[in-house]
Amino acid sequence: DAGVIQSPRHEVTEMGQEVTLRCKPISGHDYLFWYRQTMMRGLELLIYFNNNVPIDDSGMPEDRFSAKMPNASFSTLKIQPSEPRDSAVYFCASTRSSNQPQHFGDGTRLSIL
Amino acid sequence: GNSVTQMEGPVTLSEEAFLTINCTYTATGYPSLFWYVQYPGEGLQLLLKATKADDKGSNKGFEATYRKETTSFHLEKGSVQVSDSAVYFCALSDIGGSNYKLTFGKGTLLTVNP
Repeated sequence: DAGVIQSPRHEVTEMGQEVTLRCKPISGHDYLFWYRQTMMRGLELLIYFNNNVPIDDSGMPEDRFSAKMPNASFSTLKIQPSEPRDSAVYFCASTRSSNQPQHFGDGTRLSIL
Repeated sequence: GNSVTQMEGPVTLSEEAFLTINCTYTATGYPSLFWYVQYPGEGLQLLLKATKADDKGSNKGFEATYRKETTSFHLEKGSVQVSDSAVYFCALSDIGGSNYKLTFGKGTLLTVNP
């Protein structure tokens, strides 16, 4: 059974550019989560979806960040325009239901120069 | 709001030493509690969980007991191995006890030397 798949694994770009991170959840999982991990702030939940609908986006830092889930097998997290302080590891996770653990992807390491 | 406080690392041990990583939490209601482990270059994996007071979660020789009176969920292992070197995260679920919104501690880096 394939796990959560994220792409790219690494992204280096200049500030001001648009960045798109991608996630494919585990098939059959109805919940999808985007997290950001930094040394200073640890692991933060940015947004989560249930059945492709955003449920809680209170962790999205500002309007430069947006997330979509056009279908059950794909989600994107976009940053436009990107800034150096957005540099972090971004994780996607999914779960089937509320009494099952979240499964994490291997993350995207983002560096904004 | 909910919060999780873990002992700060890094923690460095010799192989076969006893491990304790402290975790305390603040929450309203009755959260579920979790330990996740992150190996270098990978995402987080669930290590163990406990869903109610006095439950003991265990996996791969690791244990943690849900202590409501002390709001704690300390992780222990009797004899660590080099392969246990990783970052360990304590986490709790949201107020409703559901699993789909987690609050994480900042993580504790464990290094085990041969």
